[in-house]
Amino acid sequence: NAGVTQTPKFRILKIGQSMTLQCTQDMNHNYMYWYRQDPGMGLKLIYYSVGAGITDKGEVPNGYNVSRSTTEDFPLRLELAAPSQTSVYFCASSPLAYSYEQYFGPGTRLTVT
Amino acid sequence: GNSVTQMEGPVTLSEEAFLTINCTYTATGYPSLFWYVQYPGEGLQLLLKATKADDKGSNKGFEATYRKETTSFHLEKGSVQVSDSAVYFCALNSGNTPLVFGKGTRLSVIA
Repeated sequence: NAGVTQTPKFRILKIGQSMTLQCTQDMNHNYMYWYRQDPGMGLKLIYYSVGAGITDKGEVPNGYNVSRSTTEDFPLRLELAAPSQTSVYFCASSPLAYSYEQYFGPGTRLTVT
Repeated sequence: GNSVTQMEGPVTLSEEAFLTINCTYTATGYPSLFWYVQYPGEGLQLLLKATKADDKGSNKGFEATYRKETTSFHLEKGSVQVSDSAVYFCALNSGNTPLVFGKGTRLSVIA
């Protein structure tokens, strides 16, 4: 059972470039989330999804886009990368509503220079 | 809004020492409380949880009690090991709201 997988593990982008962070879960969870983790700042929610075709903004959505065409996949798109987007990005999923345990992927470390 | 405040780190302890990491919260309604742990190079994983006042969550020798009167959920372990070195996050949610995390406390245990 792979759980939540994320690719790539590391990436360096130049300012203004775009990229997609991939997230896949094989647990048939309805809920999926994208967080960013800045040093000493904990995790901040970027976007979340309550099921295929349904997404909503979290605390820090600016500069990002998401889609949820299947239950398994929840890609995060960065358009026009900026240095402020340098962070570690975590994808997570949960079977039911927010009060249940979230399962996290290993993270993607992104540097924008 | 909901918020979590946890003690600043880093915390450095010798093996077999007693650990306390403080966590207090502000929330509307009746929140559920969680401790997550992040080992080096990995994502977060749930360590323990408590869903109502006076509940005690426990796992791997760690414990935390949901104290509504002091709005606290302090993490404790009687005897830490080197393998407990990690970053610990206190978190809560209330109703149909996403998890809110504290800033994390880095624990280093030395032999």
